[in-house]
Amino acid sequence: DIQMTQSPSSLSASVGDRVTITCRSSQSISYYLNWYRQKPGKAPELLIYGASSLQTGVPSRFGGSGSGTDFTLTISSLQPEDFATYHCQQTYTIPRSFGQGTKLEIK
Amino acid sequence: QVQLSQWGAGLLKPSETLSLTCAVHGGSFSGYYWNWIRQPPGKGLEWIGEINHGGSTNYNPSLRGRVTMSIDMSKNQYSLKLRSVTAADTAVYYCARCMFAELSMDVWGQGTTVTVSS
Repeated sequence: DIQMTQSPSSLSASVGDRVTITCRSSQSISYYLNWYRQKPGKAPELLIYGASSLQTGVPSRFGGSGSGTDFTLTISSLQPEDFATYHCQQTYTIPRSFGQGTKLEIK
Repeated sequence: QVQLSQWGAGLLKPSETLSLTCAVHGGSFSGYYWNWIRQPPGKGLEWIGEINHGGSTNYNPSLRGRVTMSIDMSKNQYSLKLRSVTAADTAVYYCARCMFAELSMDVWGQGTTVTVSS
């Protein structure tokens, strides 16, 4: 199985800050990497697919990059609704594994 | 706009079978994988498996043959059964649609909390 590791596991930031979350896979997954945001008590929502493609309707402050084994999610200017947990997921192979999540908290 | 609604028993005893159903509103089954994902309390997401409109399935090997997914296109529904549950199966279970081309989960159900306790 491919293991997905996110860093950091948690971070604190302020509204307006630029933040970056990293996801690393245990073997190459090409660009089959997705990012989700999960607000407390809610289902995850798709932000980025294919490592860098912005899902329809998602604000442009979200951006993704990377290929192979190393990927990043960048939020250019944090908004109040962005304080949530972020998950990466590989869909290169079965099982379609997730990272452990990164909790983004208000400083 | 496609929406998923899900339901099933929320409280089970050890060794019982978990059974959940997800209904697809406003869309077609074709061209997608239909997934189940779960999230234990305070933990990350775990992919359970997927089924396509033809009934072909892929499951997470970690569930060791306990899982079965099925699809009923006449009702626009698909289902999950997980046999011989234990406390470790306590989680919020989500259904989700996965696009064939992009292989990303773009529509999710609301989640069902399942607790396994004697």
